[in-house]
Amino acid sequence: GQQLNQSPQSMFIQEGEDVSMNCTSSSIFNTWLWYKQDPGEGPVLLIALYKAGELTSNGRLTAQFGITRKDSFLNISASIPSDVGIYFCAGPVKYSGGGADGLTFGKGTHLIIQP
Amino acid sequence: GAVVSQHPSRVICKSGTSVKIECRSLDFQATTMFWYRQFPKQSLMLMATSNEGSKATYEQGVEKDKFLINHASLTLSTLTVTSAHPEDSSFYICSVKGPLVTYEQYFGPGTRLTVT
Repeated sequence: GQQLNQSPQSMFIQEGEDVSMNCTSSSIFNTWLWYKQDPGEGPVLLIALYKAGELTSNGRLTAQFGITRKDSFLNISASIPSDVGIYFCAGPVKYSGGGADGLTFGKGTHLIIQP
Repeated sequence: GAVVSQHPSRVICKSGTSVKIECRSLDFQATTMFWYRQFPKQSLMLMATSNEGSKATYEQGVEKDKFLINHASLTLSTLTVTSAHPEDSSFYICSVKGPLVTYEQYFGPGTRLTVT
């Protein structure tokens, strides 16, 4: 199936620093979604991207849909303690079940903010 | 977005018993819901698509007789893990396909299942 390669796997940063993470695929996606998951919670949608080259912001978060449609980037500016968590990229795929498009997820980027 | 609830938030059951997990769409009627499973330190994996008024579609490797899905109304889907075993212990998360014609999905808070 279509796999998403997400990097880095984890990031140790200082509060106030900017963060960058990316997601790549060998297949073309027509939608990229970025989620954040806190421990013991479900993922929360941060940003949705629908057009190649699109750059979308949500507060201190900015995400871009790569021109090749095979990658996406998420940037967080001026990190704060509540940014800690796991960030997942996701894209729609036709799974083997044949139903409506489910989502395939990257393995996540674990963001840790050092005091 | 959409607001999704799940119940219970965590459950412990004995091996061989069955457990039912509820997923509710609180602010709009959802014809399509999804069930995902997440093992510790891993990503989410789609188990099945729940369709209101019709049978669920299961992903390869997911036993439909073990994971029973019922989408009886536009706001409620249930997942029943039958004859649970310790290897079924996981974090089960449902999602709702957004009200617009997009691929956005909105997730519930998850249910932690522990089978002893």
